[in-house]
Amino acid sequence: EVHLVQSGAEVKKPGESLRISCKASGYNFATQWIAWVRQMPGRGLEWMGIIYPGDSDTRYSPSFQGQVTISADTSITTAYLQWSSLKASDTAIYYCTRHWEGDWFDPWGQGTLVTVSS
Amino acid sequence: QSVLTQPPSVSGAPGQRVSISCTGSNSNIGDGFDVHWYQQVPETVPKLIIYNNSSRPSGVPDRFSASRSGTSASLAISGLQAEDETDYYCQSYDSGLSGFVFGSGTRVTVL
Repeated sequence: EVHLVQSGAEVKKPGESLRISCKASGYNFATQWIAWVRQMPGRGLEWMGIIYPGDSDTRYSPSFQGQVTISADTSITTAYLQWSSLKASDTAIYYCTRHWEGDWFDPWGQGTLVTVSS
Repeated sequence: QSVLTQPPSVSGAPGQRVSISCTGSNSNIGDGFDVHWYQQVPETVPKLIIYNNSSRPSGVPDRFSASRSGTSASLAISGLQAEDETDYYCQSYDSGLSGFVFGSGTRVTVL
């Protein structure tokens, strides 16, 4: 069975850096794209970007290009989402999810709540 | 503002049928890209309920059905139940943005 397990909730100050993780199991991690999705408080789902762990080919939504970095380590079947300088507006739940060839997403990680506050 | 537009809310009595629209454009649904639907209970993880416009994953009740036509898609829930009261999102790919897009989301209320 496929599982995506994300790292725990984070509380950070504006300007700090952060990397959250998504540990995959139950499938060939290197050969399936994995995406990150943001959900701000009380808001909808926003696709941030996607990575192919096998060769680290990464695509970003124009809204998130330059704001975050997506990476992956095939040796430990883990994908990452990182910020170099957090803003209060980065406060949200972040989900990782596996991409299927037909362009849908399933399953989803449990989500990581990131709170940025001074 | 979402690329795919959904009504903020729809409602229906138990047992009734409700429908949720997902309106796109010629760069996404109208360009032939498939539509997928997710159910999200507040504070929980999104769950895939429809893929490839009208297919249901194993375990999803056949009360849920969906279709795509032109630049739009729709999700229908028949025999509405109290447990269906939650949020629903459509999703597709946009060639203009070269990326995936979600609908704005619809809250279903069971009266």
